Amino acid sequence: DIVMTQSPDSLAVSLGERATINCKSSQSVLYSSNNKNYLTWYQQKPGQPPKVVIYWASTRESGVPDRFSGSGSGTDFTLTISSLQAEDVAVYYCQQYYNTPVTFGQGTRLEIK
Amino acid sequence: EVQLVQSGAEVKKPGESLKISCKGSGYSFTSYWIGWVRQMPGKGLEWMGIIYPGDSETRYSPSFQGQVTISADKSISTAYLQWSSLKASDTAMYFCARPLDGRDGSGEYLYKYWGQGTLVTVSS
Repeated sequence: DIVMTQSPDSLAVSLGERATINCKSSQSVLYSSNNKNYLTWYQQKPGQPPKVVIYWASTRESGVPDRFSGSGSGTDFTLTISSLQAEDVAVYYCQQYYNTPVTFGQGTRLEIK
Repeated sequence: EVQLVQSGAEVKKPGESLKISCKGSGYSFTSYWIGWVRQMPGKGLEWMGIIYPGDSETRYSPSFQGQVTISADKSISTAYLQWSSLKASDTAMYFCARPLDGRDGSGEYLYKYWGQGTLVTVSS
């Protein structure tokens, strides 16, 4: 199984400041035949199902504010929120969809400082 | 509009059986995997397994193999997750989810659409 490890486990950032969450996979999730990274980021707010914010490691989902961006390739990935807003408070998960079993990171709780 | 609507919350006793459901609409139900994801109280997301309703191909996470059964009835566009003998440790929220792409598509395990979740509480 591919193990996904996020850091940090929790993060407190001031409104308007940058938030950065990291995700590392135990093996590459870059598929050589199409040069795509099979890595997505979800946002989960209390009482709600997860919601895709970034997929293919760097493609922003439709309707997601452009302050959200994703980067990285192979085994190391980053989700960045350039200017934190109150509505961004949530738990963020990375997930690899390179193969089954699909695996998630343990989650990063993002709060306002 | 793609929708996944799950059955309501359940309260059960240890040893009882349970089957929860996930009804898909707004798309061709037989052309996409349906996955099940567990979230224990205050914890993260765990992938349990998937079913392809078109031919009932099923895959399980090793962690859940033998613990649950995933099935589907394509005539009513509904997938199921069932337990034959519940344990207290099965207390969790369970989500169904549909991926971006159909089987063999590059996004076949990228979960774009989610049900609202079914809370299962197992307590004596």
